[in-house]
Amino acid sequence: DAGITQSPRHKVTETGTPVTLRCHQTENHRYMYWYRQDPGHGLRLIHYSYGVKDTDKGEVSDGYSVSRSKTEDFLLTLESATSSQTSVYFCAISGRPSYEQYFGPGTRLTVT
Amino acid sequence: TQLLEQSPQFLSIQEGENLTVYCNSSSVFSSLQWYRQEPGEGPVLLVTVVTGGEVKKLKRLTFQFGDARKDSSLHITAAQPGDTGLYLCADAQGDTDKLIFGTGTRLQVFP
Repeated sequence: DAGITQSPRHKVTETGTPVTLRCHQTENHRYMYWYRQDPGHGLRLIHYSYGVKDTDKGEVSDGYSVSRSKTEDFLLTLESATSSQTSVYFCAISGRPSYEQYFGPGTRLTVT
Repeated sequence: TQLLEQSPQFLSIQEGENLTVYCNSSSVFSSLQWYRQEPGEGPVLLVTVVTGGEVKKLKRLTFQFGDARKDSSLHITAAQPGDTGLYLCADAQGDTDKLIFGTGTRLQVFP
């Protein structure tokens, strides 16, 4: 299994509070991705990174920001959480673009 | 924007039955991947198919890629409860760094 962890695994927070989710990999892969998974929508890309300090938006990036200061860590921040951001968040890594991705175990976020 | 449609959305069967799930695209696939996601976990890659007409087997799972590279199927022979999960297809988006995922087929296999 690819060495990829996410923290926290579960979080409940209140509307308007900032939240940061962390993805950590030990594979030294160049590409990292953040997805959200919601019933009826499948996996949707939020942001991704193609190298340290190199990031780009996905299809549902509004309300989210990311940072990657080291190869192994990719952070997803909700500046001011809203109830619509209640979801399961998955991080994925890939050794090359557009090819196989390896997923973390997910973070279940509830915004009340 | 490419759309990936998977069917059926839900499938509930008894152990030992055979089944097929489908993934269809609004445009030609670049490189199609199949993933399985078990409850409470992240998706896990099963296979990648690249060439039109390609057939790959993984134990009781058979993956086919359409000749025109716009459709794919996953056939499971003699399903087992351990096959339960969400099956997702995904396509590499051309020369970008991204995948696009279908909405999945949720399979439940009862003992």
